[in-house]
This record gives sequence, structure tokens and C-alpha cells, in this order.
Amino acid sequence: AQKVTQAQTEISVVEKEDVTLDCVYETRDTTYYLFWYKQPPSGELVFLIRRNSFDEQNEISGRYSWNFQKSTSSFNFTITASQVVDSAVYFCALSEATALGIGQNFVFGPGTRLSVLP
Amino acid sequence: ETGVTQTPRHLVMGMTNKKSLKCEQHLGHNAMYWYKQSAKKPLELMFVYSLEERVENNSVPSRFSPECPNSSHLFLHLHTLQPEDSALYLCASSQDQSHGGVYYEQYFGPGTRLTVT
Repeated sequence: AQKVTQAQTEISVVEKEDVTLDCVYETRDTTYYLFWYKQPPSGELVFLIRRNSFDEQNEISGRYSWNFQKSTSSFNFTITASQVVDSAVYFCALSEATALGIGQNFVFGPGTRLSVLP
Repeated sequence: ETGVTQTPRHLVMGMTNKKSLKCEQHLGHNAMYWYKQSAKKPLELMFVYSLEERVENNSVPSRFSPECPNSSHLFLHLHTLQPEDSALYLCASSQDQSHGGVYYEQYFGPGTRLTVT
């Protein structure tokens, strides 16, 4: 069975610090997709990034960057120069086929609550 | 309306009531999902619909009954719920090309906060 672990339950940083959120996954599939979502206090889950298992290039989007390492089954997320608006719960997720082979099954990690203090 | 909408946003119901949650997506997607988010557990995928066909039911009790009349609408019918069913229920949609081994991100609605008394 697939599994996603986010070992950091809560992290607090001071504004402008860099912070890395860890994500480790388990799957027996060779083809799978990984995602990061942000859930701000308002409650709505916001999609951040999607990465497939064949693309190990790191990605940068503004202050956000992602480090995918297949060898260690990790897909870590770094926020550079954090801001108060980054305060949220961040979820890592893994997607693979359902048992029927139709549609996709998502497994979410437990989330990391990030607090950025002014 | 844009994105994924859910109604009602808040619902309080007794254990003997019957109610329904509604979800609508305006993104042209062909797959829809129900999730349960409670304080003590990670996001739990409940049901998956692809092309209006239910393709996953993750051991959800029968007191939860989904319905997908078309690719834009998804319902969750509730009856004789228990207090432990109180949670945030999230709907999501995505493009499904899983037959080709491609999985896309899901877009979520704002959720329905359900309280069972």
C-alpha cells in the first residue's frame, strides 16, 4: 500500500527565514505522481505543484522550490524568505491507479503546520 | 461561478436526519472525488468517480451514499450519521487520463463543515 509521511507536525519560523518541509513516500509502482498542496486558515486546499516519477529535475517557482530524490523517496519543499502569508498547513500527496485501473487514487500525508511569525 | 463550489458550507444535523451535500465543478473535468478531513486523521479519500462511474470506495460506511448524475455534479447523501462523522467534507475534481498513466492535480472546493449532534 502506498503511504506518505510528513514527519514535521509543526514548524515555526520568523519572517524572512528559509524553511524546508519534508515528504517521504512509499509506493510499489514505477509510475506515480507527487503533489504539494497548501491549506491556509480559510480551509480551501490550493494546488502548488505536480511532479511525475520520471522527472527528477528540481523546480523553482518564485520563493518556492522542490527537491525530488527518487533514491530516497523524498519530495521536499522549500520556501525561501518566508512571509506571514505562507502560514498554512502544507500537504504532500501521492497519486497512483485505483484497484480497477480507472481513475486515480490520492493518498495525502498528515500535513505540516507552518507558522511564520512577524 | 468558477472552480469547484460546495453547498452548504456549514451543516448541523441530528443522528436521525437525512441530508445531502452538493458539489459542482466548472473546470470541464471528468473525475470527481469526496474526501473527509477530521482533526485526528489525515485527509481520507472516500469516493472516486471517473466519467460518472464510481471507481473507488475506500471502505466507507453505507450511511454515506454518493451520486454523480453527470461529470459536473457530485452529491453525498447522508443518513443516520454518528457524532464521529463530524468533519470537513471536501469535494475535488480533476482531469482523468489514468488509462494513459497520466495523473493530474485535483482542484478542491471550500468544503462543508458537518456537525452531527
